[in-house]
Amino acid sequence: NAGVTQTPKFQVLKTGQSMTLQCAQDMNHEYMSWYRQDPGMGLRLIHYSVGAGITDQGEVPNGYNVSRSTTEDFPLRLLSAAPSQTSVYFCASSYSSSGSQDFTDTQYFGPGTRLTVL
Amino acid sequence: SQKIEQNSEALNIQEGKTATLTCNYTNYSPAYLQWYRQDPGRGPVFLLLIRENEKEKRKERLKVTFDTTLKQSLFHITASQPADSATYLCALGNSGNTPLVFGKGTRLSVIA
Repeated sequence: NAGVTQTPKFQVLKTGQSMTLQCAQDMNHEYMSWYRQDPGMGLRLIHYSVGAGITDQGEVPNGYNVSRSTTEDFPLRLLSAAPSQTSVYFCASSYSSSGSQDFTDTQYFGPGTRLTVL
Repeated sequence: SQKIEQNSEALNIQEGKTATLTCNYTNYSPAYLQWYRQDPGRGPVFLLLIRENEKEKRKERLKVTFDTTLKQSLFHITASQPADSATYLCALGNSGNTPLVFGKGTRLSVIA
């Protein structure tokens, strides 16, 4: 298993540009999440999904869109990049062995995407 | 609003000593608590999970305690080694469709 993969690893954008951060997992996990990590701020949840076709907002959703058309993929779209979106972005997935909608299980994180917006 | 505090941003200890990291929380009643390790330039990696009805859990040199009265978890690394140097994150969770909430992390440096 490749686990959770993210592309690209690094990206530089100009203000106003749009782009999509890709995230894929091959563990058949129901739950996927996007976080951003900034110095002194810890991990903050952007959007999450409890299954294909279902998404919800996290703590800091503004400026980001997500969709979940398949179990494997959970792309994060930046509609119009701003310098405040300069950050490291992590995608994570988890599986509820109980079959219930429960985030109890381990979260598996991808390697991250380092984004700079000029 | 929910608040999670990890005792300090950075902690330096000597090799062989026990490192103790603290995670305190307010305005939250978690069903469980997780600890993760994060190395520079990498994503967090899961270490341990402890549930609200468990007082203590161990895994090799790691020990976690969970006191729901004090609203605190302690994370211990015994016989610490320079390879234990990393940032350690605590995360709180509840049953149902409630995502994890992460603390800001404590950067541990084990000095040889």
